[in-house]
Amino acid sequence: KNQVEQSPQSLIILEGKNCTLQCNYTVSPFSNLRWYKQDTGRGPVSLTIMTFSENTKSNGRYTATLDADTKQSSLHITASQLSDSASYICVVRDQTGANNLFFGTGTRLTVIP
Amino acid sequence: DGGITQSPKYLFRKEGQNVTLSCEQNLNHDAMYWYRQDPGQGLRLIYYSQIVNDFQKGDIAEGYSVSREKKESFPLTVTSAQKNPTAFYLCASSIGLNTEAFFGQGTRLTVV
Repeated sequence: KNQVEQSPQSLIILEGKNCTLQCNYTVSPFSNLRWYKQDTGRGPVSLTIMTFSENTKSNGRYTATLDADTKQSSLHITASQLSDSASYICVVRDQTGANNLFFGTGTRLTVIP
Repeated sequence: DGGITQSPKYLFRKEGQNVTLSCEQNLNHDAMYWYRQDPGQGLRLIYYSQIVNDFQKGDIAEGYSVSREKKESFPLTVTSAQKNPTAFYLCASSIGLNTEAFFGQGTRLTVV
């Protein structure tokens, strides 16, 4: 069964600290993996996309990693800011012709001053 | 500005009533989607459309209906047959089925 699991479910960190969010998936055959940021009451916004051959990709203070062998991805946030408080959703697409996106339940990050 | 617009942001409906959520995009995208988001769950696909006048059921289509008469518009009707309609609804669009999806800001529907 194709699944995407994220951990932790929620996380509270101090402003300026770093954190790492995890995403494990069983989706096969794998096409790509995206990390989205979703502010409360808003739509998700794409942060990064990782394909099978990519191990690391950065977008400002956000760095995503992908290990396609172990089917794990992480999102590392450096020097957190209050505006980083949001839900971070891992989304994996498979290679079938249909529109198959598999969504994780997200990690709720709260950055406190 | 180019983008995808959902309206209204908040919607209240009495039990037994149908209600239509609007989704418009000016990105010239062929594909459009409707998702439902509930607390503690990942987004679930309701319907999607690859092209005008064509749409397909997603994982949880029961109690919902859509139309795609124009490329820019993909309205979702929540019918009285939907047993638990209170949720956050997200519309998205993409150039094609396997390209990045851009999301609207969502509509929160509450049944009272």
